[in-house]
Amino acid sequence: DAGVTQSPTHLIKTRGQQVTLRCSPKSGHDTVSWYQQALGQGPQFIFQYYEEEERQRGNFPDRFSGHQFPNYSSELNVNALLLGDSALYLCASSFRQGAVSSYNSPLHFGNGTRLTVT
Amino acid sequence: QQQVKQSPQSLIVQKGGISIINCAYENTAFDYFPWYQQFPGKGPALLIAIRPDVSEKKEGRFTISFNKSAKQFSLHIMDSQPGDSATYFCAAPYFNKFYFGSGTKLNVKP
Repeated sequence: DAGVTQSPTHLIKTRGQQVTLRCSPKSGHDTVSWYQQALGQGPQFIFQYYEEEERQRGNFPDRFSGHQFPNYSSELNVNALLLGDSALYLCASSFRQGAVSSYNSPLHFGNGTRLTVT
Repeated sequence: QQQVKQSPQSLIVQKGGISIINCAYENTAFDYFPWYQQFPGKGPALLIAIRPDVSEKKEGRFTISFNKSAKQFSLHIMDSQPGDSATYFCAAPYFNKFYFGSGTKLNVKP
């Protein structure tokens, strides 16, 4: 049973460029969340997708956008890259099916995409 | 505003010792309180979680203690092993939006 897979594993971009990161959720999961983890910090919530719609959003600018496809996979897009966007981007999946609490379906994280902006 | 505050930032423990990591939270509407373990180059993995109606939960060598009145919870690792060396994050979800602590880097000396 494949867990959460993310691609690419590493990426180097230049300031001002745009980047797309991809995520395939764990089999049976329908909800995908994206987190940014700066070096030496805890993950910060970017947004969450369920039923192909953005359901919740953290404190990130509109340069960060996403998409969820009918097969539950997801993309994170970042436009006009800044040096400060350099981080590990984590995708996490869970089985939500409209539930308020995730206690019975905790987050499963991928190993992330390391983005370096030069 | 930081929703979850974690301490210490780093911890060195001898093999066989007890590792203790603490977290404090602000929002009393948090749903439950999980701990995640992260090894270098890997994503965080769920270690153990507790609901706010329970004061303690134990799974093997890992125990969560929860103090609702103080709005604090802690992770205890008994008989710490070198393989436990990793970064640990406390977290608190609010309607499926997770707030993470800043992490504790644990180093267990052989």
